[in-house]
Amino acid sequence: NAGVTQTPKFQVLKTGQSMTLQCAQDMNHEYMSWYRQDPGMGLRLIHYSVGAGITDQGEVPNGYNVSRSTTEDFPLRLLSAAPSQTSVYFCASSYFPDRATGELFFGEGSRLTVL
Amino acid sequence: AQSVAQPEDQVNVAEGNPLTVKCTYSVSGNPYLFWYVQYPNRGLQFLLKYITGDNLVKGSYGFEAEFNKSQTSFHLKKPSALVSDSALYFCAVRDKGTGFQKLVFGTGTRLLVSP
Repeated sequence: NAGVTQTPKFQVLKTGQSMTLQCAQDMNHEYMSWYRQDPGMGLRLIHYSVGAGITDQGEVPNGYNVSRSTTEDFPLRLLSAAPSQTSVYFCASSYFPDRATGELFFGEGSRLTVL
Repeated sequence: AQSVAQPEDQVNVAEGNPLTVKCTYSVSGNPYLFWYVQYPNRGLQFLLKYITGDNLVKGSYGFEAEFNKSQTSFHLKKPSALVSDSALYFCAVRDKGTGFQKLVFGTGTRLLVSP
């Protein structure tokens, strides 16, 4: 099983450029999410989805868009990159959207640098 | 609101010695508690969880954690550390009955096991 696959692993952008971070999972998970990891701040939730066609904002959604057209894919779009978006981004997924006791499955991360 | 604290940025231990990584939490109801480990340049991997029942939870790679409701703690332990245990460890919590989007991560504790 591939699990949760993120691409690209590394990306350098200039301020104002746009890009999409890809996330795909092959476990038929209903729940998918995007986190950013910054030093000393743990992981913060950007956006999440409880199923195809359903998305919602997390703790730090500004500057990011998401869509969920299929169960497998959950891309994260940066419309106009800013240096404050320099971070490591993780996609995570799991079974059962609500009131579940399960754990999250993480991708290996995408390191983004905005100059 | 839910919160979790990992009071130590780094824990140093010699190989073969017992290790403890501390975590305290705050929730309004009953907690679901999790430990994840992150190896260099990798995503987070699930180690163990407390949902209900026995306060001592056993997980992957010989790790265990003890849930202490009165002290609101969920410390991670291992009887004999290995050099390969060196990694970044995250504690996470959410209120029972809430969804994955309510999961809150600590800031992480770096474990360094010396030979």
